[in-house]
Amino acid sequence: DIVLTQSPATLSLSPGERATLSCRASQTVNNYLAWYQQKPGQAPRLLIYDASNRATAIPARFSGSGSGTDFTLTISSLEPEDFAVYYCQQRSNWPITFGQGTRLEIK
Amino acid sequence: EVQLVESGGGLVQPGGSLRLSCAASGFTFSSYWMHWVRQAPGKGLVWVSRINSDGSSTSYADSVKGRFTISRDNAKNTVYVQMNSLRAEDTAVYYCARDLYYDSDAFDIWGEGTMVTVSS
Repeated sequence: DIVLTQSPATLSLSPGERATLSCRASQTVNNYLAWYQQKPGQAPRLLIYDASNRATAIPARFSGSGSGTDFTLTISSLEPEDFAVYYCQQRSNWPITFGQGTRLEIK
Repeated sequence: EVQLVESGGGLVQPGGSLRLSCAASGFTFSSYWMHWVRQAPGKGLVWVSRINSDGSSTSYADSVKGRFTISRDNAKNTVYVQMNSLRAEDTAVYYCARDLYYDSDAFDIWGEGTMVTVSS
C-alpha cells in the first residue's frame, strides 16, 4: 500500500497568515492526489483533486501543487473558518489511502 | 440540494452483523460510483469499499474483504454495506461518499456519517 506522510502533524498559525501543508507519498502517485478539510463532528470536504484542481465552491485562497511523491496544500491567508484537520488522499495505486492528517490550529 | 444520508448504525456484539444504508438525493444517483469510508474515534480516514454505477463491479479494503458486501439499488437511490463478522476494530463512523467523476476515486459529496460500535 502507498503510505502518505503528512507534515507537520500540527501547525499553529494566526488568521491572515499563510499555511503550507505537506504530503509525501512512499511511491509516485503521479498527480492523483486530493486534499480534504474536516472540522470536528463534520464530514470531510473535498478541497483539491488531481493535485491542483479546486473543487466546486472552494475559495481561491486554497491551492494545491506537486506531482510524483511530494505535494503541498497552501492556504494563502487564513480565515477563522480554516482551522481544522486536513487530509491528503491518493488514488493512483490500489487501495485508496489517506494521510494521517495535519491539524491546523489557531496560535 | 445534493445530499447523502446514512442510517443503520448502532451497537452490535462482536461477530454480529449490521447493514448500513445511504440514501441519495438531488443528483442522478445511477450515474455515479459510490464509496464507504470510515473513521475510528479520534483517528484518520480509511477507505472501505467502492461500487460502480450499475453495481456490476465492487472493491474492498483488505481489512473488510470477505466480511463486508457493498450493493446498490438505483431505483431507490440507495447504496448499502452489509457488515458481517464484526470486530471491535470495525468501530467507527461510517461515511458514504460520491465519486467526483467516473472512476475518479475522489469524494466530492459526503454524508454526515453513522456510528457503528462493536462491543460486548
